[in-house]
Amino acid sequence: DIQMTQSPSTLSASVGDRVTITCRASQSISTWLAWYQQKPGKAPKLLIYKASSLESGVPSRFSGSGSGTEFTLTISSLQPDDFATYYCQQYNSYSLLTFGGGTKVEIK
Amino acid sequence: EVQLVESGGGLVKPGGSLRLSCAASSFIFSDAWMNWVRQAPGKGLEWVGRIKSKSDGGTTDYAAPVKGRFTISRDDSKNTLYLQMNSLKTEDTALYYCTRIVSGAFDIWGQGTMVTVSS
Repeated sequence: DIQMTQSPSTLSASVGDRVTITCRASQSISTWLAWYQQKPGKAPKLLIYKASSLESGVPSRFSGSGSGTEFTLTISSLQPDDFATYYCQQYNSYSLLTFGGGTKVEIK
Repeated sequence: EVQLVESGGGLVKPGGSLRLSCAASSFIFSDAWMNWVRQAPGKGLEWVGRIKSKSDGGTTDYAAPVKGRFTISRDDSKNTLYLQMNSLKTEDTALYYCTRIVSGAFDIWGQGTMVTVSS
């Protein structure tokens, strides 16, 4: 199985900060990576697919990059609505899909 | 409005069974590859399994922890996805989400239905 490792697990930041979350795959997944945002008591929301494609309706301050085994999600200027938990997910192997462990973005 | 609505969760004893349903609306359900994803209380997301559209073979795949115990099926005439869960364990306690997958990403999610396995 492909393992996904996210870092950091928790991140403290202030409104306006540039935030970067990293996701590493245990083997190459090309650009078959998605990012999700989840707020307490809510279902996850798709932000980025194919590593860098922005889902419709998602603010442009969110961006994704990377290929192979290393990927990043960047929030260019953190807004109050962005405090949440973020997950990466690989789908290179359509038989078995896996999520990263999550990164909680907290208010500093 | 594109929507997925899960139902069927509840409290069940270890070793018991439960069937979850997911009603889809406002998209062509029969063309969709559908999944179940779960989240244990206070934990991260875990993919449970997937069923392809019938036109793509209708085959299923499962995560290792549930393989052989859980079965995903679909009724395209009712726009409904199912998850039959047998031989339930305490570690299956979680919020179960129904999701659609497009180009490998889960783009539509339901609100989830809670399954608690406890004696």
